[in-house]
Amino acid sequence: KAGVTQTPRYLIKTRGQQVTLSCSPISGHRSVSWYQQTPGQGLQFLFEYFSETQRNKGNFPGRFSGRQFSNSRSEMNVSTLELGDSALYLCASSFGGESYEQYFGPGTRLTVT
Amino acid sequence: GNSVTQMEGPVTLSEEAFLTINCTYTATGYPSLFWYVQYPGEGLQLLLKATKADDKGSNKGFEATYRKETTSFHLEKGSVQVSDSAVYFCALSDRSNAGKSTFGDGTTLTVKP
Repeated sequence: KAGVTQTPRYLIKTRGQQVTLSCSPISGHRSVSWYQQTPGQGLQFLFEYFSETQRNKGNFPGRFSGRQFSNSRSEMNVSTLELGDSALYLCASSFGGESYEQYFGPGTRLTVT
Repeated sequence: GNSVTQMEGPVTLSEEAFLTINCTYTATGYPSLFWYVQYPGEGLQLLLKATKADDKGSNKGFEATYRKETTSFHLEKGSVQVSDSAVYFCALSDRSNAGKSTFGDGTTLTVKP
């Protein structure tokens, strides 16, 4: 079974621009979560989607948004990029039932200059 | 809210040494507990899990026991290898926050031959 895939793997953007990251979960998984990983803050939860609905949201500004499609693929968007948005963005999928373990993709490395 | 505290790193060991990485947690409900491992340039991989008190998770020689009385989930391995060098994350997830895992800060393990 194919794992979680994320595209693109690397991205360089300029301050003020916007970016869209994509995540394809493991087949059959209905929950997709997004995390931001930085050396200073560690792994921080952004949001989680289940069956196209946002079920949980972390403490990030409204510039960070996401959505999930009917095939469970998910996108996250960051508008008006800031230097501090430079990070590894990780997507994780799970069945979404009572099994809570998550399966992570390789991440998208975003660099904002 | 939920929180996870891991022993601070980095940890440096010689090959075949015994490994312990301490993890304690705070949670309002009855969480599931996990250890994830991250190799350089990659996403997180689920290493092992335990879903209820006294459960022991094990995988690839690593073990951890869910101790409710001490709210701990310490990771152990009897004989580490150079290939075990990575960052290890303790995490929890519960029913009220499905899809939102709470992670510790990570512990960097380096194993020298």
